[in-house]
Amino acid sequence: DAKTTQPNSMESNEEEPVHLPCNHSTISGTDYIHWYRQLPSQGPEYVIHGLTSNVNNRMASLAIAEDRKSSTLILHRATLRDAAVYYCILSPPDSNYQLIWGAGTKLIIKP
Amino acid sequence: ETGVTQTPRHLVMGMTNKKSLKCEQHLGHNAMYWYKQSAKKPLELMFVYNFKEQTENNSVPSRFSPECPNSSHLFLHLHTLQPEDSALYLCASSPTLYTRDLNTGELFFGEGSRLTVL
Repeated sequence: DAKTTQPNSMESNEEEPVHLPCNHSTISGTDYIHWYRQLPSQGPEYVIHGLTSNVNNRMASLAIAEDRKSSTLILHRATLRDAAVYYCILSPPDSNYQLIWGAGTKLIIKP
Repeated sequence: ETGVTQTPRHLVMGMTNKKSLKCEQHLGHNAMYWYKQSAKKPLELMFVYNFKEQTENNSVPSRFSPECPNSSHLFLHLHTLQPEDSALYLCASSPTLYTRDLNTGELFFGEGSRLTVL
């Protein structure tokens, strides 16, 4: 199964945009890219997912490189409530529901 | 009540005890999941149910026994656990089994049950 690589942690200032990178150089043509986040003492929360095109929703934007070997989750204006561990996850082509979770990036927001 | 609710939030048990974790979802979803989250390890999928039928047992030891009486409720029965089973157990649900679907592929997680085995 393809793996994802994310920085262990990142810091950002409140009310500024945040770009969270993810490398997935061994991604297959049919692996979807999912992002979830986990706030302290809570279960993971869905953020966004996509296949090839860039995706936007009320929470964030997902920018997928043309060769699909990397992607970036963009939080347009970070708040203190966005402090969490952000997981970049692939769903392998041989399963309808399996998600390959990694260690994630701990995002620290400075006031 | 809405969302995915897990009880108890915290559980301490001895290795010879029998206990159960409960998960309930009021979202009308057809698929439900048990995940295990151990310290410093990625989330591990344990069991998957779709329309009450088990579709995945990810090589989980038999001391963990799931039960899905209907599409809204999921249990994890625990018996003769080991200290290394101490972890956060997360329940999730989704409208369908297809996490790839851009419209219905979202997983909704509960807050988890923190289990400590002494």
